[in-house]
Amino acid sequence: QKEVEQNSGPLSVPEGAIASLNCTYSDRGSQSFFWYRQYSGKSPELIMSIYSNGDKEDGRFTAQLNKASQYVSLLIRDSQPSDSATYLCAVNQGGGADGLTFGKGTHLIIQP
Amino acid sequence: GAVVSQHPSWVICKSGTSVKIECRSLDFQATTMFWYRQFPKQSLMLMATSNEGSKATYEQGVEKDKFLINHASLTLSTLTVTSAHPEDSSFYICSARQRGNTIYFGEGSWLTVV
Repeated sequence: QKEVEQNSGPLSVPEGAIASLNCTYSDRGSQSFFWYRQYSGKSPELIMSIYSNGDKEDGRFTAQLNKASQYVSLLIRDSQPSDSATYLCAVNQGGGADGLTFGKGTHLIIQP
Repeated sequence: GAVVSQHPSWVICKSGTSVKIECRSLDFQATTMFWYRQFPKQSLMLMATSNEGSKATYEQGVEKDKFLINHASLTLSTLTVTSAHPEDSSFYICSARQRGNTIYFGEGSWLTVV
């Protein structure tokens, strides 16, 4: 059974600091990895996608993937109070019609 | 990014009635759409995978006769909750797969069964 694990938090980070969110997955065949941000009562919003080992940067966000260790992380630089949300890690095998397997999410709180 | 529209955003229905939720991909064709359910403070749980022109594939534990899914075109999938009960009250979210494997979510629909 495919599993995606995240620390539920809450993770509290001071404003302006770097927030580091981690995720591990069980299916070695996974090919596509996503980070979604979800505000309370709202639908998930895609933040980053990553498909190959290494780092991928987009603005203040950096996704890191290590397939050998089966983990993917998200770094948020210069954290802002508006970054406070639940961050969902999602994985799928790719190439087919599989839906995403989500972690339970990490609740991030940016303290002003 | 791609846009996926969901309607209605909020719906209240009486116990025993049926309610339909629509999911549309506005600027791309989606051969595959997905329906999720999320209870408060829980993660998203995949209910079913909807393929255009064919029957939906349901996840284990999801009643196909209760949650009817129709994917009549490349841009529209519908979820009908039949004979709704209060325990069906939840946040229902659809998503659509765009070419290149990225999946985008609709805005979600809050269902309250009274």
